[in-house]
Amino acid sequence: QSVLTQPPSVSGAPGQRVTISCTGSSSNIGAEYDVHWYQQLPETAPKLLIFGNSNRPSGVPDRFSGSKSGTSASLAITGLQAEDEADYFCQSYDDSLSGWVFGGGTKLTVL
Amino acid sequence: VQLVQSGAEVKKPGESLRISCEGSGYIFTNYWIGWVRQMPGKGLEWMGIIYPGDSDTRYSPSFQGQVTISADESLSTAYLQWSSLKASDSAMYYCARHAKTTDPADYWGQGNLVTVSS
Repeated sequence: QSVLTQPPSVSGAPGQRVTISCTGSSSNIGAEYDVHWYQQLPETAPKLLIFGNSNRPSGVPDRFSGSKSGTSASLAITGLQAEDEADYFCQSYDDSLSGWVFGGGTKLTVL
Repeated sequence: VQLVQSGAEVKKPGESLRISCEGSGYIFTNYWIGWVRQMPGKGLEWMGIIYPGDSDTRYSPSFQGQVTISADESLSTAYLQWSSLKASDSAMYYCARHAKTTDPADYWGQGNLVTVSS
């Protein structure tokens, strides 16, 4: 059971908008630690998608955006494309563990 | 920046193993290297980290005593090792670089698939 909670799956049609939630607690997201998001395409290593709650690394399309409030964070993807079909993981830092914690991952299906 | 991991491994239960992660294109001693496990069809699990500059090493409670993380700054390489593998250690293992303990991993290795089977 992961420390951060994500929905197991989301889906949307091409062009639509989807959101993925990430819920933590007072020892991680609620302790004001940043939330980061990774995209993992099939059979590949994770790739940093959003860092510091809402920042995109160079090369990440602005269709991807992140936000954080309280003990939760969200990843939004607009203008869904077939190539967005992947697993998405949120990550933060946890005071109790003195290390990283991940969400269980959300599988995005583009219908 | 590149993190290149050693190849896939097939081992028997009880055997020892060390996998590696070689960093290039940056100052190896200035960044933490973390290790992350991904079991088949499952999510990401943080195992631990090392700062090659001073060998400061921290483990997830779930992996403390189960694995050893080390680094050789002269080779710009970090290691993850087991003294006695179990079938449940079969997984993909990734190394990843980050600047501070609370920072995200901005570069990842390609992964090491470890299969433990009799």
